[in-house]
Amino acid sequence: DVKVTQSSRYLVKRTGEKVFLECVQDMDHENMFWYRQDPGLGLRLIYFSYDVKMKEKGDIPEGYSVSREKKERFSLILESASTNQTSMYLCASSPGHTTDTQYFGPGTRLTVL
Amino acid sequence: RKEVEQDPGPFNVPEGATVAFNCTYSNSASQSFFWYRQDCRKEPKLLMSVYSSGNEDGRFTAQLNRASQYISLLIRDSKLSDSATYLCVVIGAAGNKLTFGGGTRVLVKP
Repeated sequence: DVKVTQSSRYLVKRTGEKVFLECVQDMDHENMFWYRQDPGLGLRLIYFSYDVKMKEKGDIPEGYSVSREKKERFSLILESASTNQTSMYLCASSPGHTTDTQYFGPGTRLTVL
Repeated sequence: RKEVEQDPGPFNVPEGATVAFNCTYSNSASQSFFWYRQDCRKEPKLLMSVYSSGNEDGRFTAQLNRASQYISLLIRDSKLSDSATYLCVVIGAAGNKLTFGGGTRVLVKP
């Protein structure tokens, strides 16, 4: 079974803090994605990566950065957390092509106070 | 207009009944379509792909209407366990952009 894990299920941070969200997949997938999910807005793509050290902006990259130093790990970084970044963050991976099934991690509920 | 739109619901469905709902997309050149299911407080999981000719997987039937730019999901003989949010996913014309709809919530009641 494909397994995608995220470092925390729940996280509470203060405005201005630097926040790291980690995602690890164990199936040697090429693609990895970071989404945020908000009521009424659905899942919105923040960043994605098709290869190690490669990253592409999604629909809402502002205020975020990412790092993919190893194939299995994709990190989302909030350089200076703000209250409007309070959300559910979901990481996903897929084998290769965009049309491949995306496998999601359990999500991290981030609250920024 | 949003790229991918869904009726948020909830659709309240008696157990054993049939329910159907649509997802509209704005880009006529969109290539591929999927339905994902998301249980409460869980991550989304692929339910089924949507093929041009329509496809069925047990009690679930997915259809694509390119002329009117929507996909549909029909659930027959609804079970309590079908209660979930159903997310449609559309792959863009270039094949490199994946967009989720906001989801349709279905509640199956005894």
